[in-house]
Amino acid sequence: GENVEQHPSTLSVQEGDSAVIKCTYSDSASNYFPWYKQELGKGPQLIIDIRSNVGEKKDQRIAVTLNKTAKHFSLHITETQPEDSAVYFCAASRAYSSASKIIFGSGTRLSIRP
Amino acid sequence: EAQVTQNPRYLITVTGKKLTVTCSQNMNHEYMSWYRQDPGLGLRQIYYSMNVEVTDKGDVPEGYKVSRKEKRNFPLILESPSPNQTSLYFCASSLSPLEVRRGTDTQYFGPGTRLTVL
Repeated sequence: GENVEQHPSTLSVQEGDSAVIKCTYSDSASNYFPWYKQELGKGPQLIIDIRSNVGEKKDQRIAVTLNKTAKHFSLHITETQPEDSAVYFCAASRAYSSASKIIFGSGTRLSIRP
Repeated sequence: EAQVTQNPRYLITVTGKKLTVTCSQNMNHEYMSWYRQDPGLGLRQIYYSMNVEVTDKGDVPEGYKVSRKEKRNFPLILESPSPNQTSLYFCASSLSPLEVRRGTDTQYFGPGTRLTVL
């Protein structure tokens, strides 16, 4: 079946450094790739997304890149801050299809060291 | 305030005792979905609904039922809960994926329901 693999499962970086989380997907028909941030005791929140007709998208300190040929996409957080500490999930779906299953990665726990 | 609400937030029950977790959204979203979250497995989709009276299975539908009689509500039903359904459950809603061209396909998640089945 379709799946999304996410690495690493845990990541610790020094405050101010960059963090990179990588995901690969199996369903070649996927065309929408959101990233979610989940803080302790809360539901996931969308932080950035990218569609298959775009290779890169940036929003302030957060950027996402997509390589459709290799079927992988990555989240980049620059100048990390303590409030970036959370669990991050990638996901893939066929956003324009009536089959709107969304497959999530297993999550990355990001810790920012002061 | 735009939000997704779930009730109850915490529930401890026993094997076989039917239960319902309610989910309601006030954003007039067409698409609603239920997920369970387990350590090391991330979020797995249980069921989703494209609109009223339209539901479909996600990745892990076994042991669950849903209904969508009204646009705003999407209850999750466990007819005969078992201990392997102990988990953290999230409801989410968004614009119809078919209308995503208008803007971002943001899914709004509820606060979660922690269910323990003894």
